[in-house]
Amino acid sequence: DAKTTQPNSMESNEEEPVHLPCNHSTISGTDYIHWYRQLPSQGPEYVIHGLTSNVNNRMASLAIAEDRKSSTLILHRATLRDAAVYYCILRGTNTGNQFYFGTGTSLTVIP
Amino acid sequence: EAGVAQSPRYKIIEKRQSVAFWCNPISGHATLYWYQQILGQGPKLLIQFQNNGVVDDSQLPKDRFSAERLKGVDSTLKIQPAKLEDSAVYLCASSPSRGNTGELFFGEGSRLTVL
Repeated sequence: DAKTTQPNSMESNEEEPVHLPCNHSTISGTDYIHWYRQLPSQGPEYVIHGLTSNVNNRMASLAIAEDRKSSTLILHRATLRDAAVYYCILRGTNTGNQFYFGTGTSLTVIP
Repeated sequence: EAGVAQSPRYKIIEKRQSVAFWCNPISGHATLYWYQQILGQGPKLLIQFQNNGVVDDSQLPKDRFSAERLKGVDSTLKIQPAKLEDSAVYLCASSPSRGNTGELFFGEGSRLTVL
């Protein structure tokens, strides 16, 4: 499996930005970087994905390093509803186009 | 748009009994996945279908787990006989395509407790 490394847990104050890091030093040129999050007692949900360029959507931003060996998910203003486990996943020909989830980062948002 | 539907939400069985989980994907989604999520871990892929054909079942314990997707729509995951270590949440997901940019849509999962 194409490996990603994330911190086990992070904390953020409410209404402050959150930067969730992910290392993927073995990424191949065709691997896309996907982020999903899993709220308590729910299935994972899509957050964002990208290949080389930084990406923005209504939920978050994805900053991808120039060498693509790391990326950062940015939540611009954390809310209590953002408390979840965030998974960074590589998907491409190197992974058989499968989604392999690691253990993710558990984000705690402090009111 | 209706999401991925799964049932039952909760199931408690004794070890060596059998259980079946049902999944109805989002209409029109050709690709369907079953994942197993043990408490404290990320989801683990068990099987992937493309329409009614199996694409990847390399991590499915075939001695006790089976899955089918008749007519390329609904899917059923069966465990027989269940073991204690099968206690987990079983997640179904669907995707409109197999490509590596396709988004996965997950159901809420079926929580299995094996006593």
